[in-house]
Parts: sequence; structure tokens; C-alpha cells
Amino acid sequence: DAGVTQSPTHLIKTRGQQVTLRCSPKSGHDTVSWYQQALGQGPQFIFQYYEEEERQRGNFPDRFSGHQFPNYSSELNVNALLLGDSALYLCASSLAKRPPYEQYFGPGTRLTVT
Amino acid sequence: GENVEQHPSTLSVQEGDSAVIKCTYSDSASNYFPWYKQELGKGPQLIIDIRSNVGEKKDQRIAVTLNKTAKHFSLHITETQPEDSAVYFCAASRMFSGGYNKLIFGAGTRLAVHP
Repeated sequence: DAGVTQSPTHLIKTRGQQVTLRCSPKSGHDTVSWYQQALGQGPQFIFQYYEEEERQRGNFPDRFSGHQFPNYSSELNVNALLLGDSALYLCASSLAKRPPYEQYFGPGTRLTVT
Repeated sequence: GENVEQHPSTLSVQEGDSAVIKCTYSDSASNYFPWYKQELGKGPQLIIDIRSNVGEKKDQRIAVTLNKTAKHFSLHITETQPEDSAVYFCAASRMFSGGYNKLIFGAGTRLAVHP
């Protein structure tokens, strides 16, 4: 049973550029949440997608956007990159019809902005 | 706003000893409390969770307790082993019907188990 997968593993971008990160949920899961984890800190919730719509959002600017596809996979897009966007970006998947909606995380994408 | 405080930030124990990590949450409507273990270079791994209608839950060497009145919950690891060494995160959320579950994480505890 495949777990949550994310690509790419590592990414280096320059300030002002745009980036797209990808996530495939655990088999059977239909909900995808994205988190940002700065070095030495706990993950921070960015947003959650279900049925191809964003339905919860954390305290992140509009530069952060996402998308969910019919096969439940998801993308996170970040525009106009800042140095402070350097972090580990984690994707977590869950099943909307099964409380307590446990979230299972992927290995993350390490983004470095120079 | 929503906040989760976690203590201690680092914990060093001898193999075989017990380890306890404590968390306090601010949102009294929180009803779901998972714990995650994160090893170097990996994503967080769910190790145990508890809902607000339960006071304690055990799974082999790990247990979690919840005190809703005081708004704090704790992770207990008994008979620690070197492979328990990792960063542990607590989290809290308001779980709504339909899968709504926004996790608010603590800052993490780095546990080192020495042989």
C-alpha cells in the first residue's frame, strides 16, 4: 500500500521566482493538507483540499495557492518567492468520511530560496 | 488565537528509562490530539492519537493522557530504546464532520536515548 509521495525531494529557487510542488495521497484517501515546516519548528497549516476545492486555510498570503485533481493528487504553488519561504513543505492525506480524519504525512519537499 | 505549547524542547534519557513530553493548548474547542515522531530527513509519522472523549490511551510502550479542564495532554514512553530518538510533535485540532481537521503543532521535543 503506497504511502503519501511528494516531488521533487529538493528544490533551489531564486527570489521572485515561482515554484510548484506535487503530492500524491495515500491510497484510498481523498483529502490533502499542506504544511510548511521551518527549520527547528513544528509544521504550520497552509490549506486543505477536498473535492477539488480549498476548504480551510491557515495564515498564509495569497502567494500560496493550490489545486486538487480528480485523482485526489494535489499541487502547491508559491509565487514571488521570498527568502523566508525556505522550508520543508509537507503534504498530508486523510479520508473525509472516517473520523478522526488521521493525517498521514509524506517525506516533504525541501525548498531553498536564494 | 490557536496555540500549542510543548515542553521540554530537548530531553535526554538513558535506555530503559521513561520519557514524558507535555503540551498545552489554547482553543477549548479542540477535540483531537495526535502525536507525531519525525526522524531526520523524513516526514512526521503518526504514533498515537486521542479524542477529547477519552482520558487515556495506550499502545504498547507509548501512552497519551488528556486533561480537558487544564487543557493539557502528555505523551509517555516507557522502556525507551535508542530507536526512540527523534523529534516528537504534539498537535491539536477541532475535528468537524466531513473531514475538517486543521492541525496546530507544538514546536517539538528532541528526544535522545543513550545506550
